[in-house]
Amino acid sequence: AQTVTQSQPEMSVQEAETVTLSCTYDTSENNYYLFWYKQPPSRQMILVIRQEAYKQQNATENRFSVNFQKAAKSFSLKISDSQLGDTAMYFCAFMKPTGTASKLTFGTGTRLQVTL
Amino acid sequence: GAVVSQHPSRVICKSGTSVKIECRSLDFQATTMFWYRQFPKKSLMLMATSNEGSKATYEQGVEKDKFLINHASLTLSTLTVTSAHPEDSSFYICSARLAGYNEQFFGPGTRLTVL
Repeated sequence: AQTVTQSQPEMSVQEAETVTLSCTYDTSENNYYLFWYKQPPSRQMILVIRQEAYKQQNATENRFSVNFQKAAKSFSLKISDSQLGDTAMYFCAFMKPTGTASKLTFGTGTRLQVTL
Repeated sequence: GAVVSQHPSRVICKSGTSVKIECRSLDFQATTMFWYRQFPKKSLMLMATSNEGSKATYEQGVEKDKFLINHASLTLSTLTVTSAHPEDSSFYICSARLAGYNEQFFGPGTRLTVL
């Protein structure tokens, strides 16, 4: 079974600064997908960024980027130029590829607070 | 695109009654839908995987007779909490997967309060 670990229950960052959220996972699979989801106070789950394990290049979406280290089974999220709207719970998640159960396994989450 | 709705957004019911929560994919056909439960300040816990036209697959520890799931069409899955009790109070979230895509699209969630 896969496990996803987020070791930072809470993080705080000042507006316009950069913050990195950590995530590690454990799997015996070689092909899989990794995601970062954001859950703001509205509790709507929003996909922030995704990474295919077979791609060596780190995914980037505007101010959000990941540092994917497959050998180390590490998948950290970097948020640049933090904005107040980035305040939310952030969940790291693992998925086996399509054709199997395609279930998402979530980490325990990191609560990010962006301050003035 | 890829919008998922849930209804109702909030429901309060008396202990012993049954509550039905609907999950709809509005602009795509979802062969697979997932039901999650989330306790306050906790992560999402997968309850079951719902496949159109077949029986749902429940995760270990989830009571099938307690949480009835029906996925009768490619755009609708329902979760019925039968004989609800206060310990069933929680936030329930559904997601839908578009066939061939390795991504789940989430509904806005339903807050259930059992008195």
